[in-house]
Amino acid sequence: EAQVTQNPRYLITVTGKKLTVTCSQNMNHEYMSWYRQDPGLGLRQIYYSMNVEVTDKGDVPEGYKVSRKEKRNFPLILESPSPNQTSLYFCASSSHLAGGPGEQFFGPGTRLTVL
Amino acid sequence: AQTVTQSQPEMSVQEAETVTLSCTYDTSESDYYLFWYKQPPSRQMILVIRQEAYKQQNATENRFSVNFQKAAKSFSLKISDSQLGDAAMYFCAYISGGSNYKLTFGKGTLLTVNP
Repeated sequence: EAQVTQNPRYLITVTGKKLTVTCSQNMNHEYMSWYRQDPGLGLRQIYYSMNVEVTDKGDVPEGYKVSRKEKRNFPLILESPSPNQTSLYFCASSSHLAGGPGEQFFGPGTRLTVL
Repeated sequence: AQTVTQSQPEMSVQEAETVTLSCTYDTSESDYYLFWYKQPPSRQMILVIRQEAYKQQNATENRFSVNFQKAAKSFSLKISDSQLGDAAMYFCAYISGGSNYKLTFGKGTLLTVNP
């Protein structure tokens, strides 16, 4: 089954404790991205990657890091989480089509609470 | 920068009736794609419909159709014969046809379906 998986699905942590949210896709997609969703703000892009070893900042990259060492994985790293990073996080992946961007497939989301 | 505006934070519709969700966007690009995503209470992001800007014909997927007015930069979603399962948050999204496949989302419209 074609899918994007994220782990963990739920996480409660404390300020300053480093954490990683994993994301993996099995569709051989070139493009991967991280979004955060906050009430009243919709989804905002954090980082994206056009291919292995190619990453770039989105709209709200402060406080986050990413890496793309393998095509299927795109982990999101919070080196020193703060309460304002409490949010619902989505990973997404997409292929390049001849006619333009393909559908973006979303993971199930990770609910992060930073105390 | 591109912006996407959904002017209706909440909408309601009677079961079996038709409802239209509004979306406007701002861009200076000519090559782009527009999407409607549905987010039910499960939080999963589900693609409803996709429209290529270069296509004049409005996209249709079963009970879902769009009214794409390129000159007016308007992209509304019509849901016909509304069903209880259509109740969800709906997000309008824009993506550039260039090399950066960044999705820019509106803030969403919460649709309630009344039996």
